[in-house]
Amino acid sequence: GEQVEQRPPHLSVREGDSAIIICTYTDSATAYFSWYKQEAGAGLQLLMSVLSNVDRKEEQGLTVLLNKKDKRLSLNLTAAHPGDSAVYFCAVSLNYNQGKLIFGQGTKLSIKP
Amino acid sequence: EAAVTQSPRNKVTVTGGNVTLSCRQTNSHNYMYWYRQDTGHGLRLIHYSYGAGNLQIGDVPDGYKATRTTQEDFFLLLELASPSQTSLYFCASSDGTGNTLYFGAGTRLSVL
Repeated sequence: GEQVEQRPPHLSVREGDSAIIICTYTDSATAYFSWYKQEAGAGLQLLMSVLSNVDRKEEQGLTVLLNKKDKRLSLNLTAAHPGDSAVYFCAVSLNYNQGKLIFGQGTKLSIKP
Repeated sequence: EAAVTQSPRNKVTVTGGNVTLSCRQTNSHNYMYWYRQDTGHGLRLIHYSYGAGNLQIGDVPDGYKATRTTQEDFFLLLELASPSQTSLYFCASSDGTGNTLYFGAGTRLSVL
């Protein structure tokens, strides 16, 4: 079945710098790709999602890149600020609407002042 | 106002104990899910449901039962809890037209 690997497990960047988190997946039929943010003591919240026909999406300081050839998904946070400190998860699915997501292991992002 | 509410937020039980985790959603969503979150594994799907009375097996179902009594309520049952079930459990819902999940705040379960 689908395997998702996420790295790095921990990431510390200075305020104003960029942060990049990467996930690789194994099934070329993967159709849906997303990133979730988990703040301390809270559930996960969707940040951004893309379908397999999208290579790049930008929203509010976040960029998601999808490289289907290398089966790699990345999240780039530009100009990190303290509110970005959280755990980030990638999540993928083979279908478009059943909500059966396969999650990466998570990346704990810390923003240093 | 939270649309997915889990209870209790924290639970401690002993090996062999009987535990029920509750989840209620007010999103009017048909789909509901139970995940467990463990360091190094991310979130893994235990059971899910497409509607009242419907149950589907997830990726890590062993040792768990689930019941969907209404569109709003989804329960996770551990009838003989084991230390390996110590984890952070999340309930989520979705409307079935896409893959966006709406999560509760989680239940931290410790099995001693």
